[in-house]
Amino acid sequence: EAGVAQSPRYKIIEKRQSVAFWCNPISGHATLYWYQQILGQGPKLLIQFQNNGVVDDSQLPKDRFSAERLKGVDSTLKIQPAKLEDSAVYLCASSLDRHNARMRQKLFFGSGTQLSVL
Amino acid sequence: GQQLNQSPQSMFIQEGEDVSMNCTSSSIFNTWLWYKQDPGEGPVLLIALYKAGELTSNGRLTAQFGITRKDSFLNISASIPSDVGIYFCAGQDTSGSRLTFGEGTQLTVNP
Repeated sequence: EAGVAQSPRYKIIEKRQSVAFWCNPISGHATLYWYQQILGQGPKLLIQFQNNGVVDDSQLPKDRFSAERLKGVDSTLKIQPAKLEDSAVYLCASSLDRHNARMRQKLFFGSGTQLSVL
Repeated sequence: GQQLNQSPQSMFIQEGEDVSMNCTSSSIFNTWLWYKQDPGEGPVLLIALYKAGELTSNGRLTAQFGITRKDSFLNISASIPSDVGIYFCAGQDTSGSRLTFGEGTQLTVNP
């Protein structure tokens, strides 16, 4: 079974530039998550999708971050404009079944995109 | 938001030793999960716990859901070099809100 695919693996940009990350979840996984992991910290949820609808985006800095999941499969996360404090690893995760709490809680993570903002 | 306190922050042990780490929350949790993250990779689920007092093993790993429902413990027996990594606890409170992750325990195993 293929895992969660993310690209690019690394990205270096200057502050105020824009950047986009792409995620392809495990086939059949209805729920998709974007997490931000700052060095030395645990992952922090940015946004959660159920199919192509947003379930939780309460921690997404909406003035600069946006995400979409067209057709309920792939997803993109965009930052515009980037700030120095956005330097982090951006992790995408997916889980199987929204209606089964135990399955929903079992997240499968991709390898992440490491973003450096200079 | 929810806060999880994970300790210790880091551990340096010799191969073959046993390891214990724990996680505490300020509120009652319904679910505790333990993940391991290798360098350059995303976290991988090790153990999931759903009931107070539950004790679950996965090979040399054993985790427990605390009786108070505010803590969880992870033990690794007879550590080996590939146990090196960052171990995260994650939990979900009774409101069913998002999973909250701890800050991680960095484990180093010396051969």
